[in-house]
Amino acid sequence: AQKVTQAQTEISVVEKEDVTLDCVYETRDTTYYLFWYKQPPSGELVFLIRRNSFDEQNEISGRYSWNFQKSTSSFNFTITASQVVDSAVYFCALLDSNYQLIWGAGTKLIIKP
Amino acid sequence: EAGVTQFPSHSVIEKGQTVTLRCDPISGHDNLYWYRRVMGKEIKFLLHFVKESKQDESGMPNNRFLAERTGGTYSTLKVQPAELEDSGVYFCASSHLTSGASLDTQYFGPGTRLTVL
Repeated sequence: AQKVTQAQTEISVVEKEDVTLDCVYETRDTTYYLFWYKQPPSGELVFLIRRNSFDEQNEISGRYSWNFQKSTSSFNFTITASQVVDSAVYFCALLDSNYQLIWGAGTKLIIKP
Repeated sequence: EAGVTQFPSHSVIEKGQTVTLRCDPISGHDNLYWYRRVMGKEIKFLLHFVKESKQDESGMPNNRFLAERTGGTYSTLKVQPAELEDSGVYFCASSHLTSGASLDTQYFGPGTRLTVL
């Protein structure tokens, strides 16, 4: 079965703390893509990153970093030195072989000033 | 470059009425997708167009939903007649290229929030 699990429903931290959002996936495909999207209060889904199953290198983009581990079927997202503007709902998603995105339930991140 | 746009941003209708949602993809994107998120549930795939053809409509919940993409540009999603359980946010996405060699990223619009009373 194709499935994405984001076990953390809501996380609340104080500004400048580091925070990690967990994502665990299940897939029968040998080739697949994983994504993270951000949904700010305005409602749109903003693409953050795409990672294919062949590339297990971690990625860093500014304060954002992603840790992809096939051995544990995880694709975790870390925000370093969080800021209030990072407050949003974050979704992890898996692109299946039919080009359908399979979504996790989302993690609501609250950054307090 | 303009992003994916959706209209209206919010629609409130009564059960039994008809509603039509519109999506304008990013210019040049052949692939267009519809997803929806009903209250308390995950975002779910509805269907996928490649140009004007329906590539995959396996996620369409029932025959009250009709999607079209005439001319391979904008798309409409009509719900007729609307039921209470159709309430939710309907997202549209587009992507440039989909092939065995390259699976492109889907870029999303702001969504249409549909409320059926």
